[in-house]
Amino acid sequence: EVQLLESGGFLVQPGGSLRLSCAASGLTFSSHAMSWVRQAPGKGLEWVSTISGSGGNTYYADSVKGRFTISRDNSKNTLNLEMNSLRAEDTAIFYCAKHVYGTASAFDYWGQGTLVTVSS
Amino acid sequence: EIVMTQSPATLSVSPGERATLSCRASQSVSINLAWFQQKPGQAPRLLIYSASTRATGIPARFSGSGSGTEFTLTISSLQSEDFAVYYCQQYNNWPLYTFGQGTKLEIK
Repeated sequence: EVQLLESGGFLVQPGGSLRLSCAASGLTFSSHAMSWVRQAPGKGLEWVSTISGSGGNTYYADSVKGRFTISRDNSKNTLNLEMNSLRAEDTAIFYCAKHVYGTASAFDYWGQGTLVTVSS
Repeated sequence: EIVMTQSPATLSVSPGERATLSCRASQSVSINLAWFQQKPGQAPRLLIYSASTRATGIPARFSGSGSGTEFTLTISSLQSEDFAVYYCQQYNNWPLYTFGQGTKLEIK
């Protein structure tokens, strides 16, 4: 059974930094692209970033480009999101999601999410 | 960016009845369209991908149709556990994946 478990969400001040992680199990991790999707309180879903299975290709939404960095460690089945220069509008639940296969495929499994709150 | 527009925003249906949810893309996404269900306090769950393929473990009462710019999610006979928010998402224009704003399916 595929399981994704996010961690690292916290209360941080504007301008601060945070690192989110997603531990994956029950899958051949390196065979799947992975993404981060966020959901602001009471709002819809917003794609944030994607990384290919090998980690060699990364993609970002314009709203986070230059501030967030996605990475993965295939030896540890872990996905990461380094977030810098955080803003109030980054406040959201962050979900990691597995792709069916490569980047041009649907998100078939999601973690339970981790809450990031940016506030002074 | 491809804009996904869902309608209606809220749909009120009685248990046992059929529900039809719509999703429109601002330009063609072929069949690269997924539907998700989200209940309060839970992560989204994949229901349908490739516009009409049910994901693993999804009951047959859920069906998807459409291609290009017009898509439909149909729930043939609503069960109590089906009342939730539903999102469509296109992955044709990857990596600029975009979601619809959601349709809330509520009990009538």
